[in-house]
Amino acid sequence: RKEVEQDPGPFNVPEGATVAFNCTYSNSASQSFFWYRQDCRKEPKLLMSVYSSGNEDGRFTAQLNRASQYISLLIRDSKLSDSATYLCVVTPNTGGFKTIFGAGTRLFVKA
Amino acid sequence: EAGVTQSPTHLIKTRGQQATLRCSPISGHTSVYWYQQALGLGLQFLLWYDEGEERNRGNFPPRFSGRQFPNYSSELNVNALELEDSALYLCASSRRDGSNQPQHFGDGTRLSIL
Repeated sequence: RKEVEQDPGPFNVPEGATVAFNCTYSNSASQSFFWYRQDCRKEPKLLMSVYSSGNEDGRFTAQLNRASQYISLLIRDSKLSDSATYLCVVTPNTGGFKTIFGAGTRLFVKA
Repeated sequence: EAGVTQSPTHLIKTRGQQATLRCSPISGHTSVYWYQQALGLGLQFLLWYDEGEERNRGNFPPRFSGRQFPNYSSELNVNALELEDSALYLCASSRRDGSNQPQHFGDGTRLSIL
């Protein structure tokens, strides 16, 4: 089993749709969780951290379920500019070197 | 605050040559990470440097090496280049203060082997 697993997609959604991505992780000692966004042939950019109580940033909501070892990202009112690959990132409590990047979920938002 | 900077943006080499890629972390960040991303694939962890020392390396052959300088900038060296080394090489930096800080990426160096 991979340490971090994501559905590769692609997810094809119309503008204005709500779309959700899930990510599962295998290391129960994992402590920090992030979502990154990567545009085609560009570097990954931090989208948001994921907190135990769940957190929201505008149209984006991230949630963590430690018992089931998964995190999720919800995008409301999708925009064309949301088209990208979304990477799930998991770090144990021993520092950043063992950070694991998921392979990413591809999202296409169409007009 | 300046972000992570990488140079060069593009690098074209031939098989057997050597390549040197450079990275300057965000001010205040002591950890530098190198990743390889081949076209259409995910990030593959290469190396982690902190406080001038190599702390961990990924599953890559010894011809991939690097170093971190006293100012925390870093170099990645790839010797005896092979065609499959063609990829985007990404550098990231983070704080290393015991808390879990996200990594911030540079724009990358696109290495093409002819």
